[in-house]
Amino acid sequence: QAVVTQEPSLTVSPGGTVTLTCGSSTGAVTYGHYPYWIQQKPGQAPRTLISDTTNKHSWTPARFSGSLVGGKAALTLSGAQPEDEAVYYCLLSSWMFGGGTNLTVL
Amino acid sequence: EVHLVESGGGLVQPGRSLRLSCTASGFKFADATINWVRQAPGRGLEWVGFIRNKAFGGATEYAASVKGRFTISRDDSKSIAYLQMNSLKTADTAVFYCTRDNDEWGKGTTVTVSS
Repeated sequence: QAVVTQEPSLTVSPGGTVTLTCGSSTGAVTYGHYPYWIQQKPGQAPRTLISDTTNKHSWTPARFSGSLVGGKAALTLSGAQPEDEAVYYCLLSSWMFGGGTNLTVL
Repeated sequence: EVHLVESGGGLVQPGRSLRLSCTASGFKFADATINWVRQAPGRGLEWVGFIRNKAFGGATEYAASVKGRFTISRDDSKSIAYLQMNSLKTADTAVFYCTRDNDEWGKGTTVTVSS
């Protein structure tokens, strides 16, 4: 069974840009893994930001974008805001969650 | 607007059973795949299982950690999905969420397994 890997923690400055990545222990992440990016703020339910690699929802701030980079799924945040501080989970193939990246805006 | 509400959580003793419900509105429930995801205290998200729509035969899949103990079903006439949990263990203590196609999430219901 594949293990989904994410950076445990990252820090970004307010207004800065950061890229979170999502890898698979079995090889490159592809569009066929239908990567999802899910945000969870403390004490709140998760919320999906990106579906199927790049698709945003109506509630997804424009500063978030999804892509594939170097064999991994990537979530890029451009122009970080204090309210973006959260844990971000990657989901592959509809059932494999990564351990989450704790993003600090500082 | 899509709305998912989980219910049925509570305190239960090890070895007992509990049934969770996921009541949906705002979309065509019969067309959706419903996932159950849980989160143990202080831990990350863990996929529990899903049930596909009738076009896919209502097929179900489960995580290895719950296979044989948990069963997902659906009543499309009521727009409700169920998670029947049997032989509960303390390790099953978590907040349980349902999702529509992993796009929208409910707010969760808490299950505590303890003697």
